[in-house]
Amino acid sequence: TQLLEQSPQFLSIQEGENLTVYCNSSSVFSSLQWYRQEPGEGPVLLVTVVTGGEVKKLKRLTFQFGDARKDSSLHITAAQPGDTGLYLCAGADTGGFKTIFGAGTRLFVKA
Amino acid sequence: GAVVSQHPSRVICKSGTSVKIECRSLDFQATTMFWYRQFPKQSLMLMATSNEGSKATYEQGVEKDKFLINHASLTLSTLTVTSAHPEDSSFYICSARHGGQMNSPLHFGNGTRLTVT
Repeated sequence: TQLLEQSPQFLSIQEGENLTVYCNSSSVFSSLQWYRQEPGEGPVLLVTVVTGGEVKKLKRLTFQFGDARKDSSLHITAAQPGDTGLYLCAGADTGGFKTIFGAGTRLFVKA
Repeated sequence: GAVVSQHPSRVICKSGTSVKIECRSLDFQATTMFWYRQFPKQSLMLMATSNEGSKATYEQGVEKDKFLINHASLTLSTLTVTSAHPEDSSFYICSARHGGQMNSPLHFGNGTRLTVT
């Protein structure tokens, strides 16, 4: 069974600080996605990474896919209270059909 | 962008009754939709894969007679929680792939908060 391990599970930081969230697996994924979810809403897609070693930037968010396509990271620069939410990494399973989710990282940015 | 609409957003029902949740793809066709359940402060747990025109595929441990799924058209899947009990109270979220490729990212509805009293 493919698993995605996400860390940390919870992070509380001050506005302006930087942070990194990790998503690791022993399995190779053809692609990984990062989602952000706010309370009472469905997850919203932030980015998809496909190529090993790929780096994508979305404003203050930087996403990286590991060379071996087994891990990914999300780095947020100068976090803001609006970044508060649940961050989920996800990837298609071996058959490429079902999407597997990590346990999530709950981020709280204090003003 | 791809939009998935879920209805209702909140529902409260009495124990023993049934509740139907609708999931629609508004601007694309979805032969496959996915139903997830999310407990407070936890990640998403896949319940079942809804296939247009055929039976749904349920994950291990999910009772198919309790969580009835119907995918009658390319834009609509429904999840019916039958004979609901308080332990069925949860956040239910549907999703669909836009683009047709198996590893295309999922687009999610806004979820349904079910409370069984």
